[in-house]
Amino acid sequence: EAGVTQSPTHLIKTRGQQATLRCSPISGHTSVYWYQQALGLGLQFLLWYDEGEERNRGNFPPRFSGRQFPNYSSELNVNALELEDSALYLCASRLTRQNANTGELFFGEGSRLTVL
Amino acid sequence: LAKTTQPISMDSYEGQEVNITCSHNNIATNDYITWYQQFPSQGPRFIIQGYKTKVTNEVASLFIPADRKSSTLSLPRVSLSDTAVYYCLVGDPFGGNTPLVFGKGTRLSVIA
Repeated sequence: EAGVTQSPTHLIKTRGQQATLRCSPISGHTSVYWYQQALGLGLQFLLWYDEGEERNRGNFPPRFSGRQFPNYSSELNVNALELEDSALYLCASRLTRQNANTGELFFGEGSRLTVL
Repeated sequence: LAKTTQPISMDSYEGQEVNITCSHNNIATNDYITWYQQFPSQGPRFIIQGYKTKVTNEVASLFIPADRKSSTLSLPRVSLSDTAVYYCLVGDPFGGNTPLVFGKGTRLSVIA
């Protein structure tokens, strides 16, 4: 069974540009989380999608946005890139309450965004 | 949101038992305690989860006192490959209305 997949693996942009990151959850998982991890730091919660709807967002400016598609894959968009947006962006998925054993998060390998 | 507090870093020698404690004073009734391990440039991976008392699996044990305001992850006989960051996550893993927010984690360094 395929795990959570993220693309692209690496992305280099310049200040002011826009970046789009993609995530495909494990088959059957309907809930998707996005986290930002700057170099050497912890995971900062960005966005949570469940069943196609945004359930919650972290303390990030509106230029961070996303969506979840009918097949439960998800996209994270970052507009007007700033240098401090350089980070590893991690996507995680999990099962719904009805089907979950532990409700654990399954993470992808991440997309490393570098803003120059 | 149940906020967690963990030591920033710990050092251990190979073969020793390592105990990492996490404080979560405002844990809610529906919250579980889940521990994740993260290696550099990789996504975290699930280690163990518990609600109360003690849970043990093939890699770790999790001790949770009756008041559930703290928990301790125990790693028996660590090896160099256990060098990683360990996160304590408190929340409703099956849904609820609050997102799963990670704390700062504990950086474990295992020394030969």
